[in-house]
Amino acid sequence: NAGVTQTPKFQVLKTGQSMTLQCAQDMNHNSMYWYRQDPGMGLRLIYYSASEGTTDKGEVPNGYNVSRLNKREFSLRLESAAPSQTSVYFCASSEGGRRNYTFGSGTRLTVV
Amino acid sequence: QKEVEQDPGPLSVPEGAIVSLNCTYSNSAFQYFMWYRQYSRKGPELLMYTYSSGNKEDGRFTAQVDKSSKYISLFIRDSQPSDSATYLCAMSGQSAGNMLTFGGGTRLMVKP
Repeated sequence: NAGVTQTPKFQVLKTGQSMTLQCAQDMNHNSMYWYRQDPGMGLRLIYYSASEGTTDKGEVPNGYNVSRLNKREFSLRLESAAPSQTSVYFCASSEGGRRNYTFGSGTRLTVV
Repeated sequence: QKEVEQDPGPLSVPEGAIVSLNCTYSNSAFQYFMWYRQYSRKGPELLMYTYSSGNKEDGRFTAQVDKSSKYISLFIRDSQPSDSATYLCAMSGQSAGNMLTFGGGTRLMVKP
């Protein structure tokens, strides 16, 4: 089925470890996004990529880096994980200029 | 104060009831208004999409926007247990690309 695929679905990290969250979409969308979702905080934008080759910071970018590898793939990297980064991470994509996003099923990350 | 406010609930109703979910916002530049539905341990999925003020109906769902009051609503008629989910409002300005600002979500439980 067409959509947004995120890997892994679950991950436990120790403080200071690094990891990369992977996201791929097969809808030929130009724009891709990374959000984190915390209880009572809603979805907060970490980074986005309006088109292949561009990335920009969102509301909460500290502690994260991103790579738009090609039009399909947009990865999120935690260089040195902290307990405050325990969250559910969602990747989303949209056709350029359109505001109806398609979300992946999320990655549940726990940092201990 | 958050840009978009949403009562977290939970809101518990009997099957068949009419449900009213609401969001208030502070940014008068918001022009696009969306409702996403999120089932437990899943990604959000777009439910309703409206531009500017007015009503939009889709089956049992009606989205209402009152820009003068900075208030949006989602009505669900003849609610079903399958409607049990978290409902997130989201909105965007005309000129801010297609970046969305989300509310924190309202958890709805429809009891048989």
